[in-house]
Amino acid sequence: RKEVEQDPGPFNVPEGATVAFNCTYSNSASQSFFWYRQDCRKEPKLLMSVYSSGNEDGRFTAQLNRASQYISLLIRDSKLSDSATYLCVVNLGAQKLVFGQGTRLTINP
Amino acid sequence: DTEVTQTPKHLVMGMTNKKSLKCEQHMGHRAMYWYKQKAKKPPELMFVYSYEKLSINESVPSRFSPECPNSSLLNLHLHALQPEDSALYLCASSQAIDRASDGYTFGSGTRLTVV
Repeated sequence: RKEVEQDPGPFNVPEGATVAFNCTYSNSASQSFFWYRQDCRKEPKLLMSVYSSGNEDGRFTAQLNRASQYISLLIRDSKLSDSATYLCVVNLGAQKLVFGQGTRLTINP
Repeated sequence: DTEVTQTPKHLVMGMTNKKSLKCEQHMGHRAMYWYKQKAKKPPELMFVYSYEKLSINESVPSRFSPECPNSSLLNLHLHALQPEDSALYLCASSQAIDRASDGYTFGSGTRLTVV
């Protein structure tokens, strides 16, 4: 079983739609969680950290469910500029981040 | 300054060449990382430096040799690479390896082609 699993997509949604991604992780001792965004041929950029209480940043909402070992990302009122690959990332606490394979999102006009 | 700077941005090298990738950050971060990313795949960890000491080597072949001359600089020396080593090489930094709540800041990467 992979340490971090994501649906690779692709997700194709119309502009203005709400889209949600889920990610599961296998190591119950994982310490912290993140969503990164990566544009084509660019480096990953931190989108947001994910906290047990859930957190929101504008149109983006992240949730963590430690009991079920999954995290989620919700994007409301999607924009064309949201088109990217979204990487679920888990800090195992062993000095390394582990990346999911990424979910590819395309927002269509 | 909240950037991680990598040079060169692109590199083409032959299998007998020796080259080096460079990474610099001035955020006072004490952990630095090398990742390798192939097309349509997630980044894969290669090395971790903590307080200028190598703390993780993810079984990387010896043709890749990391070096951390000081807390701001991280190099990756390349020698006798194979075409399958062609990839995007990403440097990243974070506050410290024991700050589990911190994410990483990535550089823009060096796109390496081995011919």
